[in-house]
Parts: sequence; C-alpha cells; structure tokens
Amino acid sequence: AQSVTQLDSHVSVSEGTPVLLRCNYSSSYSPSLFWYVQHPNKGLQLLLKYTSAATLVKGINGFEAEFKKSETSFHLTKPSAHMSDAAEYFCVVSKNSGYALNFGKGTSLLVTP
Amino acid sequence: DSGVTQTPKHLITATGQRVTLRCSPRSGDLSVYWYQQSLDQGLQFLIQYYNGEERAKGNILERFSAQQFPDLHSELNLSSLELGDSALYFCASSASGRLDTQYFGPGTRLTVL
Repeated sequence: AQSVTQLDSHVSVSEGTPVLLRCNYSSSYSPSLFWYVQHPNKGLQLLLKYTSAATLVKGINGFEAEFKKSETSFHLTKPSAHMSDAAEYFCVVSKNSGYALNFGKGTSLLVTP
Repeated sequence: DSGVTQTPKHLITATGQRVTLRCSPRSGDLSVYWYQQSLDQGLQFLIQYYNGEERAKGNILERFSAQQFPDLHSELNLSSLELGDSALYFCASSASGRLDTQYFGPGTRLTVL
C-alpha cells in the first residue's frame, strides 16, 4: 500500500524567504508522487508530479520537489515565498497516475508580510 | 479552471435524506474519481469509474453509490444521510491512461443538519 506523511501541519514563513514543506512516502511500488495546492474555498490544483523520470521536478509558480529514494522523501520547496502562496498543500502518492490518489493530511502554509 | 464542473456548489439537507451530486469531466476524459474531504478524515478516495464501468473502490460507505453515464458525466448518490457525512465532495477526471493527471473540480459542500 502507498501512503504519505506530511511532517508539518502548519508552516509559517515571511514573504521573500524560502519555503520547505516536508513529505515522506511509503510505497511497495515505485510510486508516482504529486503535490497539490488548495486555496481557501477553491478546488485542488496540481503543482507538480513525479513519475520516475527526473528526480528533480519543477512545477508551477516556482515550486519544485526532489524525489530522494534513499530518504523516501519528496519535499516541496520554493526559493522565495509570495503572499499568494498561502494555502493548504497536499503531498499525494499513487501506484500510478491513473490510479486512486492517497493524500497526506496537508500542510497549511502561512506567509507573513 | 480545470474544466471539471460540479453541481451544486452547496447543499444543505437533513439527516436521513438522500442527495445526488453531479460531475461533468473535462472534455474527452474517460475516468472519473470521487473524493471526500472532511476535517477528521482528510481527503479520501471514494470510487473511480472508467468509461461507464466501476474501476476501483476506496472508503465508500454502503449508503453511497455512484454511476457514470454514456455521456461520461457521473453522479454520486448519498442516502440515509448522517451528520458525519457533512464534507466537501470532489470529483476529478483524467484522460484514460495510467500516466494521466487527475484534474479536480471545485467541489460540492454538503451540510447535513
């Protein structure tokens, strides 16, 4: 079975500083991994996905994530936070993209001026 | 805008009642997925349909059922509603293949009083 653990339920950063949202995964297969973002009262938007190609994945809005098999991690980073980045972020694992997604519990990102 | 539409946006009903949530996938997508987001359970996969046939089942209660119609829209039926069924219900769609991204609709917020 596949699962993910998001290590922080809340992260607070100042605008212009780096963002790090941590995620560890557990999978008996070579997994597909995703990060989705949910802005308040909005649906879920795909930020990026890893499907066993390059280990460093670039997504939208300046986010990127690195797949580290030895550490079973898939942390999400951004060099400089913007106020509009404040949202709930979900790390997601799947046996494959076309299969059901298993969501982490989410990390709420707060960006302060 | 993901191209996935869900109606209604909000639904308020009483315990014991039955409701139907509707989802129209992106044009050309054959797979539809239903997810439930609640405060205590987080985001959970309920069920997947592919081209009219049930493909996978997750944590879906027996009181809940779904179907996908020939025009590929899908409906999620929730019956004998309980207070604990109050949640945000998302529909997602993907093209067909195993590597396809799931695109999420804006969700239907169900409140059971």
